[in-house]
Amino acid sequence: AQSVTQLGSHVSVSEGALVLLRCNYSSSVPPYLFWYVQYPNQGLQLLLKYTTGATLVKGINGFEAEFKKSETSFHLTKPSAHMSDAAEYFCAVMSGGGADGLTFGKGTHLIIQP
Amino acid sequence: DTGVSQNPRHKITKRGQNVTFRCDPISEHNRLYWYRQTLGQGPEFLTYFQNEAQLEKSRLLSDRFSAERPKGSFSTLEIQRTEQGDSAMYLCASTPGGNQPQHFGDGTRLSIL
Repeated sequence: AQSVTQLGSHVSVSEGALVLLRCNYSSSVPPYLFWYVQYPNQGLQLLLKYTTGATLVKGINGFEAEFKKSETSFHLTKPSAHMSDAAEYFCAVMSGGGADGLTFGKGTHLIIQP
Repeated sequence: DTGVSQNPRHKITKRGQNVTFRCDPISEHNRLYWYRQTLGQGPEFLTYFQNEAQLEKSRLLSDRFSAERPKGSFSTLEIQRTEQGDSAMYLCASTPGGNQPQHFGDGTRLSIL
């Protein structure tokens, strides 16, 4: 079985400050890891993915994440927050070739203070 | 790439009625997934298709839920005898296969009166 834990249902940062959204996972096999963003009344948009290879992955809109196997973590960061980053962020894990779909965390609501 | 399309965007119905949602995946994607998302939660996997074959359906929430993908293109998700607890966003995603990223539609929001 696989699971995802996102620490902090709400995170508030000032515009221009560092964004850090935490994600820890459990998986019995090497995982594939994803971060998605969701704006109100919309579907999920892929920010970035980790499959194999380089553990620091860069995504869209200036986001990046680092896969740390020893810590079973895949935290999402952005050096400087923008007002348009305000949204719901979901970390997800997939294994077994996708037969069990994606397993999502409960999400973190990112609030940007002007 | 026209993206994943879901219809309708919103569905309001009375308890006990049947509802059907449609998903049109990205044309070259062989796999199609259905998820349910309730308020304040991440999406929850329901079922998936590889072309027209439904390879996993044990996670459908009850026998009132069924899905089809008859020609390996669009898919439908049907809920029979709807209940209050079925109110949620139903999301569809498609992917070329394997561990490739899934591309999501904007969902169908179901409200049960």
